[in-house]
Amino acid sequence: EVQLVESGGGLVQPGGSLRLSCAASGFTFSSYWMHWVRQAPGKGLVWVSRINSDGSSTSYADSVKGRFTISRDNAKNTLYLQMNSLRAEDTAVYYCARDRDGYHVNDYWGQGTLVTVSS
Amino acid sequence: SSELTQDPAVSVALGQTVRITCQGDSLRSYYASWYQQKPGQAPVLVIYGKNNRPSGIPDRFSGSSSGNTASLTITGAQAEDEADYYCNSRDSSGNHLGVFGGGTKLTVL
Repeated sequence: EVQLVESGGGLVQPGGSLRLSCAASGFTFSSYWMHWVRQAPGKGLVWVSRINSDGSSTSYADSVKGRFTISRDNAKNTLYLQMNSLRAEDTAVYYCARDRDGYHVNDYWGQGTLVTVSS
Repeated sequence: SSELTQDPAVSVALGQTVRITCQGDSLRSYYASWYQQKPGQAPVLVIYGKNNRPSGIPDRFSGSSSGNTASLTITGAQAEDEADYYCNSRDSSGNHLGVFGGGTKLTVL
């Protein structure tokens, strides 16, 4: 059974940093691209970032470029999102999602982890 | 960057057919995928590619595409289909950016 479990969310002050993790199981993690998608309270889904299967290629939404870094450890079956210079508008539930084919088809999602940026 | 546009809300009578649309330039190059999200839950993939359903998704869900518009059709809507529906695709910039539509709240009357 495919499972994605996010962790690392919490309350952080503006300007602070946080690292999210997504532990994957039930599939060959090293074969799949992965994404982070976020959802502010009461709002819609927003794509944040993606990484290819071996970690050599990454992409970011303009809103997080230069502040967030996506990475992965295929030996640990874990996806990461390092978030720096956090702003109030980064407050959201952050989901990790598997990409089934490299075309942004997210066939499995984690349950999400809440990041709250507030003083 | 690309954008995908969805109607904010749509309603359908129980057992009737409803179409939810998604418009955007990237859809001229890439298929949309569709996700169902119920309150407090993670999104669930319901349609991808030309018209593919993941295992476990009822066959009353179908997808189609024409030009810059993708559609999700629910034939014989059930009460449990009441949810938010989102489309997404890869954008057409060549940089593997992603984009989601703003979502459509489906109410089953």
